[in-house]
Amino acid sequence: NAGVTQTPKFQVLKTGQSMTLQCAQDMNHNSMYWYRQDPGMGLRLIYYSASEGTTDKGEVPNGYNVSRLNKREFSLRLESAAPSQTSVYFCASSGILGEAEQFFGPGTRLTVL
Amino acid sequence: GENVEQHPSTLSVQEGDSAVIKCTYSDSASNYFPWYKQELGKRPQLIIDIRSNVGEKKDQRIAVTLNKTAKHFSLHITETQPEDSAVYFCAARAAGNKLTFGGGTRVLVKP
Repeated sequence: NAGVTQTPKFQVLKTGQSMTLQCAQDMNHNSMYWYRQDPGMGLRLIYYSASEGTTDKGEVPNGYNVSRLNKREFSLRLESAAPSQTSVYFCASSGILGEAEQFFGPGTRLTVL
Repeated sequence: GENVEQHPSTLSVQEGDSAVIKCTYSDSASNYFPWYKQELGKRPQLIIDIRSNVGEKKDQRIAVTLNKTAKHFSLHITETQPEDSAVYFCAARAAGNKLTFGGGTRVLVKP
């Protein structure tokens, strides 16, 4: 099992460009999450999906959109990237919303110039 | 919403000594408290968790305590080793089933 995978690993964008971060899990988990990690800020929840077909905003959703494509895949889209979105993005999944262990992907390091 | 404060932000200990990290939370409805370890450049990984109906949990050299009345919980690492050097995050699950993370503690174990 690959667990949680993310693509790409690194990305550099110019202000105003758009991109989609991809996440997939092969653990048959129901819930999936997107976090951003800034230095000294811990992990902040952007969006989450309790189950296939549902998505909800987290703590910092502005400037992002998500799609739960199917049970395995959960993508994060930046429509018009801004320097403030420079961060490391982690996708995670769990069997049960919130309480069960969340398994994290390797992360995507995004720089917006 | 839930707010989780974590202290200290950095912690330097001598190999073999104990390390203690403390977290406080604001939402009395929170009932699940995991701890994650993140090595440099790697993903966070769960090391231990505790539920609100338990006061203490141990797993080899690590233990977590929870004081629901005071709304704080702590991670204890005994007999620290160089491989314990990492950033540790506490988290709390409040209403809405979302985890809120603390700001992290960078632990350095000096040989």
